[in-house]
Amino acid sequence: QQQVKQSPQSLIVQKGGISIINCAYENTAFDYFPWYQQFPGKGPALLIAIRPDVSEKKEGRFTISFNKSAKQFSLHIMDSQPGDSATYFCAAGDTDKLIFGTGTRLQVFP
Amino acid sequence: GAVVSQHPSRVICKSGTSVKIECRSLDFQATTMFWYRQFPKQSLMLMATSNEGSKATYEQGVEKDKFLINHASLTLSTLTVTSAHPEDSSFYICSAQVPGANVLTFGAGSRLTVL
Repeated sequence: QQQVKQSPQSLIVQKGGISIINCAYENTAFDYFPWYQQFPGKGPALLIAIRPDVSEKKEGRFTISFNKSAKQFSLHIMDSQPGDSATYFCAAGDTDKLIFGTGTRLQVFP
Repeated sequence: GAVVSQHPSRVICKSGTSVKIECRSLDFQATTMFWYRQFPKQSLMLMATSNEGSKATYEQGVEKDKFLINHASLTLSTLTVTSAHPEDSSFYICSAQVPGANVLTFGAGSRLTVL
């Protein structure tokens, strides 16, 4: 199976709160797990990515947690800001081919 | 950083005409580029993998004769939507592998509207 399941579909968070988006994959051969941020009318921009040899990666306010045995990974946005309001996509695969999750629309209110 | 440019960003055409979308890697050479299609509020669906100097590899269900892909140089891949129909209206996005960095960089997308 090549699906990547992403939840929630939409998320509303107050400014300063933590936004959490979850993804699950099925193919154990996948070795690259990026998160992309997309603003309306724009292409996706790489936010942060992780390889399966580590369980967590942090870059600024963004953290990926990775659970290899459960085949799950999540994005945590700390101190969420209105400027973080966008659609977030997880993906899984390798850099030759990525399977994208269905996306999460995040809205951060002041 | 690595930049991928797409042109045009928006195009409107009449049904039955063909439209070409360009994807360029501006500051690096890309032997492989990817073309995606995205419907409103939906995810990106990989259409095809474009390989420089060889034929593109299409995903299951994507019509090769409908979506012509050419990767004639290490910095340019083109997607031509032939005999476009309203159902081809969509957001088309390309991406390219950045050599050595092992990441994909995406273009800003091209919105096609077929009247």
